[in-house]
Amino acid sequence: NAGVTQTPKFRILKIGQSMTLQCTQDMNHNYMYWYRQDPGMGLKLIYYSVGAGITDKGEVPNGYNVSRSTTEDFPLRLELAAPSQTSVYFCASSGGQGYTEAFFGQGTRLTVV
Amino acid sequence: DQQVKQNSPSLSVQEGRISILNCDYTNSMFDYFLWYKKYPAEGPTFLISISSIKDKNEDGRFTVFLNKSAKHLSLHIVPSQPGDSAVYFCAASEAGTYKYIFGTGTRLKVLA
Repeated sequence: NAGVTQTPKFRILKIGQSMTLQCTQDMNHNYMYWYRQDPGMGLKLIYYSVGAGITDKGEVPNGYNVSRSTTEDFPLRLELAAPSQTSVYFCASSGGQGYTEAFFGQGTRLTVV
Repeated sequence: DQQVKQNSPSLSVQEGRISILNCDYTNSMFDYFLWYKKYPAEGPTFLISISSIKDKNEDGRFTVFLNKSAKHLSLHIVPSQPGDSAVYFCAASEAGTYKYIFGTGTRLKVLA
């Protein structure tokens, strides 16, 4: 089982560039999430989705966009990269049926210069 | 507004002794709590969880205690092993929201 797969693993962007972080899961989970981890700040929820076609903002959504056209995929889009978006990004999914845990991908380390 | 707090950024423990990691929360609507372990350059991995109807859950060397009146939970690792050295995150969820809110993490170092 691949679980949650994120690509790329590393990326350097220039200020103002755009990019899409890819996330796919093969567990048929309805719920998917994007988190960012900054040093000493823990994991902050950016966006989440409760199913195909449904997305909602998390704690820190500004500067990001998401879409959920299929159950498997949940890409995160950065339109105008800023240095404040330098972070490690984690995608996660959960079955969402009652009390259940989330499974995480290995992360994407993004640097904006 | 940090709803889930881990006030100890780091903790060092001797191998074989008990490690106790603490977590406090402010939202009384949280009813499911989880602990995750994270190694460098990897994603967090689920360790153990507890629902608000329990006050203790045990899985091998790992036990989570929940004190709802104090809005406090703790993770006990007994005995601690060098392989337990990692960052531990506490997380909480509110029924019906399916969002997981994380704390800032505690870096545990188990000394051989």
